[in-house]
Amino acid sequence: DSGVTQTPKHLITATGQRVTLRCSPRSGDLSVYWYQQSLDQGLQFLIQYYNGEERAKGNILERFSAQQFPDLHSELNLSSLELGDSALYFCASSVNGGGRSPLHFGNGTRLTVT
Amino acid sequence: GESVGLHLPTLSVQEGDNSIINCAYSNSASDYFIWYKQESGKGPQFIIDIRSNMDKRQGQRVTVLLNKTVKHLSLQIAATQPGDSAVYFCAETRSGGYNKLIFGAGTRLAVHP
Repeated sequence: DSGVTQTPKHLITATGQRVTLRCSPRSGDLSVYWYQQSLDQGLQFLIQYYNGEERAKGNILERFSAQQFPDLHSELNLSSLELGDSALYFCASSVNGGGRSPLHFGNGTRLTVT
Repeated sequence: GESVGLHLPTLSVQEGDNSIINCAYSNSASDYFIWYKQESGKGPQFIIDIRSNMDKRQGQRVTVLLNKTVKHLSLQIAATQPGDSAVYFCAETRSGGYNKLIFGAGTRLAVHP
């Protein structure tokens, strides 16, 4: 068990809808990361937060947004969903946000858009 | 569980043999590397890491080798067990890169009895 908790485990929704994915980092970790994993594209970095502030952005669509709250949990909001958004979404956390520390991943949320 | 990367390269080994999984990384400025193991239906699990000032690091049954000259990373698993069957990813980042890990495509390890 990595100590990173993600909810829900599964989410099925229709195109055009909006969903929120939630992540609780490991105790003591200040940085949270979101990754998307699809069958044909591997693990793609979306966004990173450190102690409530956005630190780095990757291939995150404008329809997606995230935030990290004062208690350090994070939410990833996906809107105007399309079929291609179906994927596994992983949250990870690390002690710091400056590199050279491993990320610890949750077990993901599987999003299915129908 | 869900399958990840149905078209990944696969390494098949016999139980008890040693396994070597290779990875070519892309950025010569990368100075920190991690190997992850992902089992079906689970998130990537940290195995071992190495910094660019080292060329070898050993863990429990695993060894990571780094060759910066040719930008190559390998993971050696000794006495491979059925529980080692999973997809293995290498990941790279560089200091100042805010720990933005870039993952390789992954290799599926299949261990046969």
